[in-house]
Amino acid sequence: DVVMTQSPLSLPVTLGQPASISCRSSQSLVYSDGNTYLNWFQQRPGQSPRRLIYKVSNRDSGVPDRFSGSGSDTDFTLKISRVEAEDVGVYYCMQATHWPGTFGQGTKVEIK
Amino acid sequence: EVQLVESGGGLVQPGGSLRLSCAASGFTFSSDWMHWVRQAPGEGLVWVSRVKSDGSSTYYADSVKGRFTISRDNAKNTLYLQMNSLRADDTAVYYCVRDNLLRDWGQGTLVTVSS
Repeated sequence: DVVMTQSPLSLPVTLGQPASISCRSSQSLVYSDGNTYLNWFQQRPGQSPRRLIYKVSNRDSGVPDRFSGSGSDTDFTLKISRVEAEDVGVYYCMQATHWPGTFGQGTKVEIK
Repeated sequence: EVQLVESGGGLVQPGGSLRLSCAASGFTFSSDWMHWVRQAPGEGLVWVSRVKSDGSSTYYADSVKGRFTISRDNAKNTLYLQMNSLRADDTAVYYCVRDNLLRDWGQGTLVTVSS
């Protein structure tokens, strides 16, 4: 199975400041159709996960544009340009290129 | 609006069985792959199983293979997970999730395996 490794696992941030989460895969996530099936999810405290980004950099409907995804092959990043209080929670990357799909360990974002 | 509503969770003894259901609405259920993803208390997300849109193909995580069975009834817009030979490490919130990019998630149903 593909191993997804996130860093950091804990990310204290100041309101209004940027935040960045790294996600690395144990093998290339480029599928035979040319797409890279790397997604990002947000899980706020006490809530179900919510998809933020799909196929590396595509924001889901209703997701604020302060969230952005980038990367390629085995190295990916989720950035929050200016952290707001509602961004507190755990963020997971997940690959859907090689099944079984696998998630990163999660990065807990909290306000300093 | 897409809705995925899980039910069927509860407390079960080790070795017991449980069947989870997920009622889907707001999209063409018969067109999408469907998944179960679980989350043990205080832990991360783990993919469990998926079923093709027409129910013809099913896949499982190694940890549940041979014990869990995923199925769907497209006429009823409902996804199922039959869980047999349950173990303590199956204790988790089980989420019903739409499509292979895990687009939409239900609120989850808690399964507790304990004597």
